[in-house]
Amino acid sequence: QVQLQESGPGLVKPSGTLSLTCAVSGASISSGNWWSWVRQSPGKGLEWVGETFHDGRSNYNPSLKSRVTISADKSNNQFSLKLTSVTAADTAVYYCARNSKWELMWWGQGTLVTVSS
Amino acid sequence: EIVLTQSPGTLSLSPGERATLSCRASQSGSSSYLAWYQQKPGQAPRLLIYAASNRATDIPDRFSGSGSGTDFTLTISRLEPEDFAVYYCQQFTGPPSMYTFGQGTKVEI
Repeated sequence: QVQLQESGPGLVKPSGTLSLTCAVSGASISSGNWWSWVRQSPGKGLEWVGETFHDGRSNYNPSLKSRVTISADKSNNQFSLKLTSVTAADTAVYYCARNSKWELMWWGQGTLVTVSS
Repeated sequence: EIVLTQSPGTLSLSPGERATLSCRASQSGSSSYLAWYQQKPGQAPRLLIYAASNRATDIPDRFSGSGSGTDFTLTISRLEPEDFAVYYCQQFTGPPSMYTFGQGTKVEI
């Protein structure tokens, strides 16, 4: 059973950097799957942020590409998300997930990040 | 950029009834790339259907998916109380990879 757990600050100041980590258990980050971040603004739908592979490759949503970095940490079996220059529009529940071919099979429980001064 | 339009926005039904949810893509894609998720309040989405018509692990057979090209359908044959939730379709495109979600359909009592 794959388990994913998001962690990081729940409050980030405007213009600051949002940093989250997703700890993976029950599977290896080097297993051959891609690993994704998805966010959901309060009361809204789902938005894919991007994905990473253990070899350093990443893909990002074009709408966020200039501000996002997603990377894998093989030694700690986790992957991370950094989003710079945040505004109130980045307030959301952030989910990490494990890809399976062309869909997202396993999801973390999500963590709420609020952007506010 | 692909856009997924789900209809209706809200579906009001009773337990035991049949639910039919639609997902229309702005451009044609492989059915292998179309998935459906269920999300209940305060919970993460759960994968229901992948490759348009394949049930994910432990998903009851009252859930079924169909469609191809630009038109896809999720059917719940007989609604159980636990099925009242929001349902999202998702399409993969690439390279480079991009996952696009529809805006969701709420199935309510």
